[in-house]
Amino acid sequence: QKEVEQDPGPLSVPEGAIVSLNCTYSNSAFQYFMWYRQYSRKGPELLMYTYSSGNKEDGRFTAQVDKSSKYISLFIRDSQPSDSATYLCATSGGGYKLSFGAGTTVTVRA
Amino acid sequence: GAVVSQHPSWVICKSGTSVKIECRSLDFQATTMFWYRQFPKQSLMLMATSNEGSKATYEQGVEKDKFLINHASLTLSTLTVTSAHPEDSSFYICSAPDLAGVGYEQFFGPGTRLTVL
Repeated sequence: QKEVEQDPGPLSVPEGAIVSLNCTYSNSAFQYFMWYRQYSRKGPELLMYTYSSGNKEDGRFTAQVDKSSKYISLFIRDSQPSDSATYLCATSGGGYKLSFGAGTTVTVRA
Repeated sequence: GAVVSQHPSWVICKSGTSVKIECRSLDFQATTMFWYRQFPKQSLMLMATSNEGSKATYEQGVEKDKFLINHASLTLSTLTVTSAHPEDSSFYICSAPDLAGVGYEQFFGPGTRLTVL
């Protein structure tokens, strides 16, 4: 079983829609949760990070963590074509080593 | 955020040759850097942890003699793919945590696309 499971999609939505991305993880020792965005042929860039259960908002992005069910989510409101990318969830037990999900490819149609 | 650069961004080489990829932290020091490879439409696979002044730690299944890692300074780590073969063609990405920041916040380089003919 992979440490982090993520549906690779692809996911296609019309502009302005809410994008919902999810991951599950198996290791209860994971304490830090991150979402990275990766454009084609580029390195990942950090979008959001959380270390506790609950919601965290940053502009159009909301990260949600439910440690009891080992479930993490990312919501993108008012999606734009520029949001088209691959979104990777990642977790950490507190050290520097990250465990990544498979990544979900998102296309926002104009 | 902190900046990590990689050089070259794209390299094509003949089978049997060696290729060196550099990873630099531009505005912070990184005693630890990570090397990943990524195949098309797949996630990042951690290859090894590069430690400044000591030997790298390789993940299970990664050949240490094939992928040589040197972390000679606090801002530079290099990955050398020795005797490259077509199956080594991939996207190689490095990352580094900013020691002055929170440990889990890692910064990634832009990646190096290696094509072995």
